[in-house]
Amino acid sequence: EVQLVESGGGLVQPGGSLRLSCVASGFIFSSYEMTWVRQAPGKGLEWISFISSYSHTIYYADSVKGRFTISRDNAKNSLYLQMNSLRAEDTAVYYCARLLGGLDYWGQGTPVTVS
Amino acid sequence: EIVLTQSPGTLSLSPGERATLSCRASQSVSSTYLAWYQQKPGQAPRLLIYATSSRATGIPDRFSGGGSGTDFTLTINRLEPEDFAVFYCQQYGTPPFTFGPGTKVDI
Repeated sequence: EVQLVESGGGLVQPGGSLRLSCVASGFIFSSYEMTWVRQAPGKGLEWISFISSYSHTIYYADSVKGRFTISRDNAKNSLYLQMNSLRAEDTAVYYCARLLGGLDYWGQGTPVTVS
Repeated sequence: EIVLTQSPGTLSLSPGERATLSCRASQSVSSTYLAWYQQKPGQAPRLLIYATSSRATGIPDRFSGGGSGTDFTLTINRLEPEDFAVFYCQQYGTPPFTFGPGTKVDI
């Protein structure tokens, strides 16, 4: 069974940092591209970052470029999002998702509050 | 950036009716890279349709997708009570991989 489990969210002050993790199981993690998507309270989905299977290709949304860094460790079946210079508008639930013909599997999300 | 616009914002229907949701792109999107998701309150989104018209695993055939270029459609035939939710389209062919603002289908 495919599972994605995020962790690392919490309450942080503006200007602070957090590192989110997403541990994958039930599939060959190194074979898949991965993304992070967030959802602010009561709002829609916002795609924020993509990483290819061996980290050769990385993309960011303009809203996080220069502040967030996506990475992965295929040996640990793990995806990461390093978030620096956090702002109030970064408050959201952060989801990791596998990309295969759309985002076919999602984690349960980890909440981040910047206040 | 490809901007996706969804209409209507809210669709009020009854079980058994058909829902037709629209997703319009600011520039052409390859049909290979257009997806639809369903999200219920407190849950992660669920992939319904990928590559414009292919149903994801386990998705009932009352859900169908179509379109091309800049205009795409999600159709839900014979709405079931569990179908009422928010639906998002997404393009994942050109970064940033943008989502539309969503259409809420309520009873």
